[in-house]
Amino acid sequence: SAVISQKPSRDICQRGTSLTIQCQVDSQVTMMFWYRQQPGQSLTLIATANQGSEATYESGFVIDKFPISRPNLTFSTLTVSNMSPEDSSIYLCSVRQNTGELFFGEGSRLTVL
Amino acid sequence: GDSVTQMEGPVTLSEEAFLTINCTYTATGYPSLFWYVQYPGEGLQLLLKATKADDKGSNKGFEATYRKETTSFHLEKGSVQVSDSAVYFCAVNYGGATNKLIFGTGTLLAVQP
Repeated sequence: SAVISQKPSRDICQRGTSLTIQCQVDSQVTMMFWYRQQPGQSLTLIATANQGSEATYESGFVIDKFPISRPNLTFSTLTVSNMSPEDSSIYLCSVRQNTGELFFGEGSRLTVL
Repeated sequence: GDSVTQMEGPVTLSEEAFLTINCTYTATGYPSLFWYVQYPGEGLQLLLKATKADDKGSNKGFEATYRKETTSFHLEKGSVQVSDSAVYFCAVNYGGATNKLIFGTGTLLAVQP
């Protein structure tokens, strides 16, 4: 299984600022996924990040708010822009293995004051 | 649209009790089915999976059988332990171009000694 590292693991940020979360995978993967897990809730897919093309966003998520980079097959970043307290969540990077299941990083726990 | 309905929690059991967490999905095509577990303070881990009808996924004493006739994938364990206390997520992959996972709302399991 892939080993996925996320940074930062947690952060406390001020309203109106932006934070970039990094995701590093120990093997080359075609598709990487960014999920959000709001407090006490399930996971919601934000976007799918493909190398060499723009990310594909799910309904309710836009590029201006959550810009994503995918410079190569082992790395991606998600930026949470102009943050508000409603953005306080765990943000998870994941990759899909050939067998179909997703593997997840340990997540980045963001608190916006 | 595609969806996953999961038994609401919290579920509180005594050690060695029998566990069932219900999960049903909308019947679109032939999805792959998964259970993920999130232990306190940790990221999501794949617990088990099943990719076709009548398959049984199993791991760590947990089992779930892919029931196409009832569109269900209920999680069971014959004798729970305190260490099983976690949030359990049912997830469905309907395949297609994006192969994204759709998660249920999660069920918190608390096992008391």
